[in-house]
Amino acid sequence: DAGVIQSPRHEVTEMGQEVTLRCKPISGHNSLFWYRQTMMRGLELLIYFNNNVPIDDSGMPEDRFSAKMPNASFSTLKIQPSEPRDSAVYFCASSLARGHSGNTIYFGEGSWLTVV
Amino acid sequence: AQKVTQAQTEISVVEKEDVTLDCVYETRDTTYYLFWYKQPPSGELVFLIRRNSFDEQNEISGRYSWNFQKSTSSFNFTITASQVVDSAVYFCALSEVTGGGNKLTFGTGTQLKVEL
Repeated sequence: DAGVIQSPRHEVTEMGQEVTLRCKPISGHNSLFWYRQTMMRGLELLIYFNNNVPIDDSGMPEDRFSAKMPNASFSTLKIQPSEPRDSAVYFCASSLARGHSGNTIYFGEGSWLTVV
Repeated sequence: AQKVTQAQTEISVVEKEDVTLDCVYETRDTTYYLFWYKQPPSGELVFLIRRNSFDEQNEISGRYSWNFQKSTSSFNFTITASQVVDSAVYFCALSEVTGGGNKLTFGTGTQLKVEL
């Protein structure tokens, strides 16, 4: 079975450029999460969607970050304009949420972003 | 607010030693879920186990075992007869269950180094 698929795996970009990270969740999953991992802050939730609707975006650092989920099988996280402090590993994750049960969240392999 | 504390930043052991990774959590929820994830040097996050707050039975899976104690708000992870391949960062996480699904709060991770 295919897991969560993220692209690109690695990206190096110049400050000021737009960055788009892509995610395909596990088929059938209805919750999708974007996490960011840095040495300083560890793993932090940026935003999550349920049934394609953004539920909580309180972790999105600022207006330069935006996320969309146009359908159940695709999501993007966009940074515009990018800054060096955005350098991090960005993880996409998905789960099958049924009511109030704590379903397992499965992670992609991450997108390693470096902004120079 | 949910909080997960992994007080051990780094642990080094010699192969075949047993090692326990500590996890202490805080939550006001009566229903919650606890997780352990492994992050090997390659960077992906690998799901290891999920436990719900109503099930305090210890669990064993091969060389891995988990001890969940609500009385001390702890969910510790033991690796028996450690191997070099166990070298990784291990994250404990707590799930906040909402009507829109569940989202994870991670601890800061414990870096485990298993040497020959």
